[in-house]
Amino acid sequence: AQTVTQSQPEMSVQEAETVTLSCTYDTSESDYYLFWYKQPPSRQMILVIRQEAYKQQNATENRFSVNFQKAAKSFSLKISDSQLGDAAMYFCAIPLIQGAQKLVFGQGTRLTINP
Amino acid sequence: DTGVSQDPRHKITKRGQNVTFRCDPISEHNRLYWYRQTLGQGPEFLTYFQNEAQLEKSRLLSDRFSAERPKGSFSTLEIQRTEQGDSAMYLCASSPGQYTDTQYFGPGTRLTVL
Repeated sequence: AQTVTQSQPEMSVQEAETVTLSCTYDTSESDYYLFWYKQPPSRQMILVIRQEAYKQQNATENRFSVNFQKAAKSFSLKISDSQLGDAAMYFCAIPLIQGAQKLVFGQGTRLTINP
Repeated sequence: DTGVSQDPRHKITKRGQNVTFRCDPISEHNRLYWYRQTLGQGPEFLTYFQNEAQLEKSRLLSDRFSAERPKGSFSTLEIQRTEQGDSAMYLCASSPGQYTDTQYFGPGTRLTVL
């Protein structure tokens, strides 16, 4: 079974600084992909970034980048130049490849941005 | 707005009542998912449709829960004889239909059972 663990229930960072959110996972698949989703307070979940496991290059989307360590099964999210609008719950997720490809989520990390 | 929409956004009901939620996926998306999210937790999978066929259900989906997707378009999730433990956010997501596709989420329906 695939599992996802986010060991940081809460994180805080000063505006304009950099923060890294951790995620580890377990899967028996060799080809898979990973997601980070953001869920602002009382707002819908949106995709932040995705990473294909077969790609050696870490994914980047503007201020968001990942550090993907396949052997260690680690998939951390780095947010550079943090902005107040980055405050949210962040979820790491991996889809089950078989059947429905349903997403298995971590417990989430609540990120607070201090002005 | 061409995103996933859900209705209602909030529902308060008394224990024992039936409730129904609706999800409209992104147009042309073949796959539709329902997840449940309790406070402070990540979403958990409930059920999945490929077009109009319900292909997988979680054991979380007791016999009080039923979901449909007639004609492969919108979907409904009904909970009969609601219990306080059903209080949660119910999220709908859709994806185009390839296994590598990203799932796009709706705003959710927050259910409170009194």
